[in-house]
Amino acid sequence: GENVEQHPSTLSVQEGDSAVIKCTYSDSASNYFPWYKQELGKGPQLIIDIRSNVGEKKDQRIAVTLNKTAKHFSLHITETQPEDSAVYFCAASSYSSASKIIFGSGTRLSIRP
Amino acid sequence: KAGVTQTPRYLIKTRGQQVTLSCSPISGHRSVSWYQQTPGQGLQFLFEYFSETQRNKGNFPGRFSGRQFSNSRSEMNVSTLELGDSALYLCASRGSGETQYFGPGTRLLVL
Repeated sequence: GENVEQHPSTLSVQEGDSAVIKCTYSDSASNYFPWYKQELGKGPQLIIDIRSNVGEKKDQRIAVTLNKTAKHFSLHITETQPEDSAVYFCAASSYSSASKIIFGSGTRLSIRP
Repeated sequence: KAGVTQTPRYLIKTRGQQVTLSCSPISGHRSVSWYQQTPGQGLQFLFEYFSETQRNKGNFPGRFSGRQFSNSRSEMNVSTLELGDSALYLCASRGSGETQYFGPGTRLLVL
């Protein structure tokens, strides 16, 4: 069935350094790839998304890349700050089932001061 | 615009009871989806409702059901609660695009 694998499960980086989270997906029909950030006691919040017709997208310190051939996509956070500490989820969905998002297992990102 | 709201935020039930959770989507959004989040299984899709009809369903037993009203508000019901149903239940709404917006969730504890 559909599956999204996410690595690493935990990540600790020095404040100011970059963080990279990687995901792979199994369903070739997937064409929408959102990334969510979840802070303690809150629901997931969308931070960036990418569609299959685009290879890269950037929004200030956050960027996402997609390799559709290899079924890989990655989140890059540059110049990390303490408020970036949270759990990050990658996800995938297809046009025919846009609301049925398949989530990765999550990455707990900690920023060391 | 107000975000997705969910009530109640916390709930404690005992095994065998049933529970109803409520979700109010963002104004104008007609699609409402429900997800279960647990430490062991992560975020799993339960079902989606659109215009009062269930449009997609995940792999959960029939004890999990839902409905949507004409104003797009949705309820989720779990009958004959089991210990393993303890989880954070998240509701998400979607407009005409692909982006889903999540509520804060209802944390259910089954004793």
